[in-house]
Amino acid sequence: GAGVSQTPSNKVTEKGKYVELRCDPISGHTALYWYRQSLGQGPEFLIYFQGTGAADDSGLPNDRFFAVRPEGSVSTLKIQRTERGDSAVYLCASSRGLAGASVEQFFGPGTRLTVL
Amino acid sequence: GEDVEQSLFLSVREGDSSVINCTYTDSSSTYLYWYKQEPGAGLQLLTYIFSNMDMKQDQRLTVLLNKKDKHLSLRIADTQTGDSAIYFCAEGMDSSYKLIFGSGTRLLVRP
Repeated sequence: GAGVSQTPSNKVTEKGKYVELRCDPISGHTALYWYRQSLGQGPEFLIYFQGTGAADDSGLPNDRFFAVRPEGSVSTLKIQRTERGDSAVYLCASSRGLAGASVEQFFGPGTRLTVL
Repeated sequence: GEDVEQSLFLSVREGDSSVINCTYTDSSSTYLYWYKQEPGAGLQLLTYIFSNMDMKQDQRLTVLLNKKDKHLSLRIADTQTGDSAIYFCAEGMDSSYKLIFGSGTRLLVRP
């Protein structure tokens, strides 16, 4: 398919463990975003990449959260020492990233993370 | 600060029009969006409007923007049962690209 894909679709882990969530953006999209959606809430911004660099990481809640995009395509969101409050759906989005044309963000189906 | 608010729930009869409302606080917002989320599915972009526009129409969807009151609405004409979903309003700015979402309005369409 040509859309944004995310793996795994579901992840159950124990408190204190490390997890990695993967996002494959739409081919050719230079901008990539991570959001977190808690139950009954709208998505909350975490981090934005333009190419390989994190252009805005102001939404990361603390230093347990980290994201990379080493080749400017696939991105991995890493969470260390998971806590029960990290349980949420983690959404990835991508856009063309060109000035004036970057307004449309296309979202993936999300990874549902459950920390027991 | 940045804050987007929506009513939680709307119920309409099939064939009627639906109007979903949203208010935002940041006057520097450049774009305002409507996304649709169905159970178990990702967010689908329905439409968006630039802040220098008052209205945008796209088939059954009409977006109205009152910039003075910071009020955005989405009207769905001839609402169908397939329109039942959660609708999110979001604001975005040129400078940051991140989207600020409301908590969503659950639309229920009764047959």
